Amino acid sequence: DTAVSQTPKYLVTQMGNDKSIKCEQNLGHDTMYWYKQDSKKFLKIMFSYNNKELIINETVPNRFSPKSPDKAHLNLHINSLELGDSAVYFCASSPMRGTSYEQYFGPGTRLTVT
Amino acid sequence: SQQGEEDPQALSIQEGENATMNCSYKTSINNLQWYRQNSGRGLVHLILIRSNEREKHSGRLRVTLDTSKKSSSLLITASRAADTASYFCATDAPGNQFYFGTGTSLTVIP
Repeated sequence: DTAVSQTPKYLVTQMGNDKSIKCEQNLGHDTMYWYKQDSKKFLKIMFSYNNKELIINETVPNRFSPKSPDKAHLNLHINSLELGDSAVYFCASSPMRGTSYEQYFGPGTRLTVT
Repeated sequence: SQQGEEDPQALSIQEGENATMNCSYKTSINNLQWYRQNSGRGLVHLILIRSNEREKHSGRLRVTLDTSKKSSSLLITASRAADTASYFCATDAPGNQFYFGTGTSLTVIP
């Protein structure tokens, strides 16, 4: 069974469109994250949710809106896509909030904006 | 910002050799983790080391932490072609989150 899954794996879209990426974890974890990895492999945290509550909201454009319908799901909606949004987006989860817990990553969603 | 920086950026070795990569960070930490990322995949956790620990082992992996120098190293012994991947350190920061570096790209030549 896949621990952390993301859909879609690839997403190609045009500038100005709105798109969503879905993430689900079946590990029973309380905390979930969204990361953005750029072309230089720099991995930057975007958001973190703990039991459906937003706890980390890094400086990202408000075109990005996370939604957590329950603690097993954390979706990412992006409005008015721009060329600079092209990247690989990773969802991750950890048992609880805090840096003494390992994070489990999904396979990533490669977003290409043309 | 509290960001780990790995060194070297890229490393190429022969199978069977040892690989050492380093991570430096800027401010005090509570925990440091190492992750591996195979091409086109998500990150996989390798080892967590706490600030009061100096060394940890897991199979062929050995991690050291020197808080006085604000640095950590990851040693992979007897490397295999399957160890080819990018390796990231993650250091914690205010707000109870991790900052990742840009990784060391390791190539193990069969």
